[in-house]
Amino acid sequence: AQSVAQPEDQVNVAEGNPLTVKCTYSVSGNPYLFWYVQYPNRGLQFLLKYITGDNLVKGSYGFEAEFNKSQTSFHLKKPSALVSDSALYFCAVSWNDRGSTLGRLYFGRGTQLTVWP
Amino acid sequence: DGGITQSPKYLFRKEGQNVTLSCEQNLNHDAMYWYRQDPGQGLRLIYYSQIVNDFQKGDIAEGYSVSREKKESFPLTVTSAQKNPTAFYLCASKDSAYEQYFGPGTRLTVT
Repeated sequence: AQSVAQPEDQVNVAEGNPLTVKCTYSVSGNPYLFWYVQYPNRGLQFLLKYITGDNLVKGSYGFEAEFNKSQTSFHLKKPSALVSDSALYFCAVSWNDRGSTLGRLYFGRGTQLTVWP
Repeated sequence: DGGITQSPKYLFRKEGQNVTLSCEQNLNHDAMYWYRQDPGQGLRLIYYSQIVNDFQKGDIAEGYSVSREKKESFPLTVTSAQKNPTAFYLCASKDSAYEQYFGPGTRLTVT
């Protein structure tokens, strides 16, 4: 069964420190991986995606993520956190399936990131 | 929020009433999706549509219905059969690069 796991409900870091938000996945084919961010009472905003190519993906607002096929992980990282990065982060996976499920995303439960001054 | 509008932002209904949530997109995307978000549960797929006049049930379709008569529009009806309808509802559409674009959401409260 396809699934996404975000093992940490909350991540707390000090401003200026590096941050990591973890994500692991399970799919039956080649994965397409995504990170989204959500601010309170708003929709989700796209941060970055891995479809194919370089394992290190760079996205919006200085975020990056590394696709690790052997560990089935796609952790989100940022070298220096900002207070404004505080939000709810979702990892999502789709896969290369030409059937009726093409394009649907499976989401993790979300990780609340808090960056304190 | 990327060319997708959802209205209203907040919606209040009495138990037993059907309610329809609007979702419109001007991105010319074929695929559209409805998700439900509850605290601590992430996003769960209710219905999705790959093309006009076609839609499929997602993981939690019971108590919901949809239509896709136009490419731009994918309204969701929350029926009285939905046992716990209070939630934040998100609509999305997808481009050919697999990325989904989300609307701002509708928070439905049923009392």
